[in-house]
Order: sequence, then C-alpha cells, then structure tokens
Amino acid sequence: DAMVIQNPRYQVTQFGKPVTLSCSQTLNHNVMYWYQQKSSQAPKLLFHYYDKDFNNEADTPDNFQSRRPNTSFCFLDIRSPGLGDTAMYLCATSRSATVNQPQHFGDGTRLSIL
Amino acid sequence: GEDVEQSLFLSVREGDSSVINCTYTDSSSTYLYWYKQEPGAGLQLLTYIFSNMDMKQDQRLTVLLNKKDKHLSLRIADTQTGDSAIYFCAEKGDQAGTALIFGKGTTLSVSS
Repeated sequence: DAMVIQNPRYQVTQFGKPVTLSCSQTLNHNVMYWYQQKSSQAPKLLFHYYDKDFNNEADTPDNFQSRRPNTSFCFLDIRSPGLGDTAMYLCATSRSATVNQPQHFGDGTRLSIL
Repeated sequence: GEDVEQSLFLSVREGDSSVINCTYTDSSSTYLYWYKQEPGAGLQLLTYIFSNMDMKQDQRLTVLLNKKDKHLSLRIADTQTGDSAIYFCAEKGDQAGTALIFGKGTTLSVSS
C-alpha cells in the first residue's frame, strides 16, 4: 500500500563517488519534493518539481541535482558527495503546490558517506 | 525569516494525555501540520489545520490553534507506547509553491 516509495532504504558510498537516490509514487501527484534531514534536525527542502518545472531552493548546494523523467519517478543525484552530506533523504509528493494540499512522505533513504 | 519552535522532549506514562506545543513566526501561515516520525522511517502526516480554525479533533488527536499568539498544540489522548516517536510541527505560507517549514521535532517517550 506504500504510495511514495524510496529506494534504496540504506546507501553507503565513498567520499566523492556519485550516488543516485530514487523515489516513485502511485498517487499521480503533480509535485515531488526532496528534503534533507540531518541527525536530530528538521527536514530541509532541497528542491521540488511541479510537473516538469524544477524549483531549486536558494541554499541547495550545487552538487545536488534532480531529474524527473515522468510523473511517477524522481531522482536525487549527488555528484561528489562530501562527509557532510550524510543524512536521511526524504521524498514527498503533493497533488498540487497550492497551500491546502498536504505533502505525503516516503520512508526515506539513509545515506552514509565514508 | 520563518521559524518554528518546539520543545525537544516529552515523557509521559501510558494512558495519560500528551500535549506537544509549537510556536511559529510567519503570520501568513495558512496551514499548520503535525507529522510523526518513527525511528528510521519517513514522516507520516497526522493531521493539519487551516488558520481560520481554532480546533480540530480526529479520534485521539486534538489540535488547538491560537493564531493571535502563533501557538499550535497537539494533544494525544490515552497515549500508548506505539505513540513513541518524534513529532514535527510544520507551517506553510500563503504562497503556492512555498516550502514546508519544520520545527526540530519533539521526541515523545511513553513508558508503561
């Protein structure tokens, strides 16, 4: 019954080695979001897609990129991960970007950079 | 800028009521949300309230909003050990496409 599915659940990668995290949704929602949540901190929005329109937050590091090839899938690419990128990465969706549409989250990918 | 504050920890006994408090600064906040995060898991939407409402009840959950003081609370009646988790308060402004702003979360510990 999972509606927002993230893969993998856990990922360990080496410093500087590119990594891709995956998110898929069965809700047919227009908007998909990526959040970064570091230990004991609040989730922080990195960027979101409204359909095919990409919206980057001002303070998202340049080595974080995203792709949305179709409505169902969205990827987070980290080109050259640093030790500080160790975090939980959360994908969320909403029907639209209007204020009355709640966001639904996946279970997250816990990424460790060694 | 916007800020959302929560107390970090709350400890209660099974069967008691829990009240988790949150304050926010953005007066244009239109919707306020409560999310639950269990260890190692994502965020589960519990409930949300529109800013023109004072109260919303959903089974064991009661949300109270004091818009004048920018204070939001979540009351869990008859708290169970399964309610142990981190609870995040979040607010969203009145512009489409704006980010959810989360508090740092309140860790609720329920002892039997």
